[in-house]
Amino acid sequence: GAGVSQSPRYKVAKRGQDVALRCDPISGHVSLFWYQQALGQGPEFLTYFQNEAQLDKSGLPSDRFFAERPEGSVSTLKIQRTQQEDSAVYLCASGYQGMNTEAFFGQGTRLTVV
Amino acid sequence: AQKVTQAQTEISVVEKEDVTLDCVYETRDTTYYLFWYKQPPSGELVFLIRRNSFDEQNEISGRYSWNFQKSTSSFNFTITASQVVDSAVYFCALTRLDYQLIWGAGTKLIIKP
Repeated sequence: GAGVSQSPRYKVAKRGQDVALRCDPISGHVSLFWYQQALGQGPEFLTYFQNEAQLDKSGLPSDRFFAERPEGSVSTLKIQRTQQEDSAVYLCASGYQGMNTEAFFGQGTRLTVV
Repeated sequence: AQKVTQAQTEISVVEKEDVTLDCVYETRDTTYYLFWYKQPPSGELVFLIRRNSFDEQNEISGRYSWNFQKSTSSFNFTITASQVVDSAVYFCALTRLDYQLIWGAGTKLIIKP
């Protein structure tokens, strides 16, 4: 497809379970971003990739969160030992150059930890 | 530190009314970008506009217009002759470090038929 694709759209995890969220960016987009959006709030920055390099991971809430983009295309956000406070929508965006050009967002993955 | 404030949590108007969504920002950067995004119930964030800090010209796109005023650190968004399809949550955002977006809390806009 032409847009940013995220999978799964919905994920229910039991507390303590590991999850992996996938993002397929728009072909040719160098920049890739992950954001976390809690219910009723604006998104919060998690991490930023330029090609395969993770240039900023300062927004990752804890060392249970890990993101990778090994070939500079598809990215995976992994959360280990999920906790209830991890429940949120995880948004992926891609663009040509940082945020100085338009970034295109996927529909997000809604994670519910029970 | 950068900050974006959208003081209006929810706005409800009747179709065809004009409505303005407020956005006030704080930054010490001299170069920055401001954005508006729309988030319909489907959840996807839809880009509406990007404005750089050196361009204070107002922008009009169909029924949408934006008023950027550096003197008051505001970047307000007006929808003229609102339609039911405009119902969504609207976010204002500000760049940090050229690649992060600092987001406001959003304004939920309800257009009643």
